[in-house]
Amino acid sequence: DAGVIQSPRHEVTEMGQEVTLRCKPISGHDYLFWYRQTMMRGLELLIYFNNNVPIDDSGMPEDRFSAKMPNASFSTLKIQPSEPRDSAVYFCASSPGTGVGIGGQYFGPGTRLTVT
Amino acid sequence: QQPVQSPQAVILREGEDAVINCSSSKALYSVHWYRQKHGEAPVFLMILLKGGEQKGHDKISASFNEKKQQSSLYLTASQLSYSGTYFCGTTARNQAGTALIFGKGTTLSVSS
Repeated sequence: DAGVIQSPRHEVTEMGQEVTLRCKPISGHDYLFWYRQTMMRGLELLIYFNNNVPIDDSGMPEDRFSAKMPNASFSTLKIQPSEPRDSAVYFCASSPGTGVGIGGQYFGPGTRLTVT
Repeated sequence: QQPVQSPQAVILREGEDAVINCSSSKALYSVHWYRQKHGEAPVFLMILLKGGEQKGHDKISASFNEKKQQSSLYLTASQLSYSGTYFCGTTARNQAGTALIFGKGTTLSVSS
């Protein structure tokens, strides 16, 4: 069974450009999470969805960040406009279970974003 | 409230044991453990849901002490493949339904 799929794996863009990160969760998983990881701040939750509905977006840094999950097999994280401080590795993870925190989270390989 | 992991780093030789602790200031509902190798994604190891629960497979196990609001990860007879950063993630008892908050991680280096 395929794991969580993310694309692109690497993205280099200039400040001010729009960036879209994509994620395909594991089939049958009800929860989808977007994380950002940097050396300084560690692993931070940005937003999570349950059955395609955004539940908690309190971790989204600012209005430049937006996330959607139009169906059970696809989610996007968009940054517009991008800034150098957005440079990080962005992970998508999915989880089964009847409640968040009950099922283990399975991470995708991540997208390494560099904003110059 | 971010859980606190200790120690921050551990250096071992193959065959030695290690314990990594994860403490919270809040009553815990669940504790997750993940391992991340350099340049890779975190990998789920195990989840503990009940106070006093212990889990494990192979030579990696964990316990959950609800009273102390703490979980410990035990790595026995370490192997080179155990090297990486170990993260605990917790959900608080009075915030069931909220997502995990991860600790800052413990870096484990195993040498031959």
